[in-house]
Amino acid sequence: KAGVTQTPRYLIKTRGQQVTLSCSPISGHRSVSWYQQTPGQGLQFLFEYFSETQRNKGNFPGRFSGRQFSNSRSEMNVSTLELGDSALYLCASSLEGSGGGVPNIQYFGAGTRLSVL
Amino acid sequence: AQSVTQPDIHITVSEGASLELRCNYSYGATPYLFWYVQSPGQGLQLLLKYFSGDTLVQGIKGFEAEFKRSQSSFNLRKPSVHWSDAAEYFCAVVPLSGAGSYQLTFGKGTKLSVIP
Repeated sequence: KAGVTQTPRYLIKTRGQQVTLSCSPISGHRSVSWYQQTPGQGLQFLFEYFSETQRNKGNFPGRFSGRQFSNSRSEMNVSTLELGDSALYLCASSLEGSGGGVPNIQYFGAGTRLSVL
Repeated sequence: AQSVTQPDIHITVSEGASLELRCNYSYGATPYLFWYVQSPGQGLQLLLKYFSGDTLVQGIKGFEAEFKRSQSSFNLRKPSVHWSDAAEYFCAVVPLSGAGSYQLTFGKGTKLSVIP
């Protein structure tokens, strides 16, 4: 079974631009979560989508948004890029958020490394 | 405040030596506990998890972790480190919740270097 696929792997943008990152979850997985990883802040939760609905959101400005399609593929968008948005963006998929109150395992993709110049 | 702490930013061990990576959490109720590993340029791979039951948990690649409620700790161990274990290790938690959604909260990570 193919793992979580994130595209592109690398991106270079300039300040003020916008960017869209893509994530294809493991087949059959319906939950997709996004995380930002930076040297200073570490790994931080951005948001989670399940059945095309945002179910949970981290503490990020509205410039960060996402969506999920009917095939569970997800995209995240960052508008008006700032230098501080340079990071590794990780996508994780799971069967569901949790089943019976117990978390389902999240499987991570290799990430998209975004550099903002 | 709820938090996950990994006190050691960087650890260096010799190949064949034992390893222990520390993780402490501060939550009202014991959360679900995880250890992930990240190799350079890669995403995160789950090593092991603790939800309940036996407090000594076995994972992949020869790793194990012990949950100690009294110390709010979930330390990762390996009896004999291999050069391929050089990576960054993250402790993570999911708080107890009745909701369907959950999010992982990560520690800052411990970078492991292995001397041949």
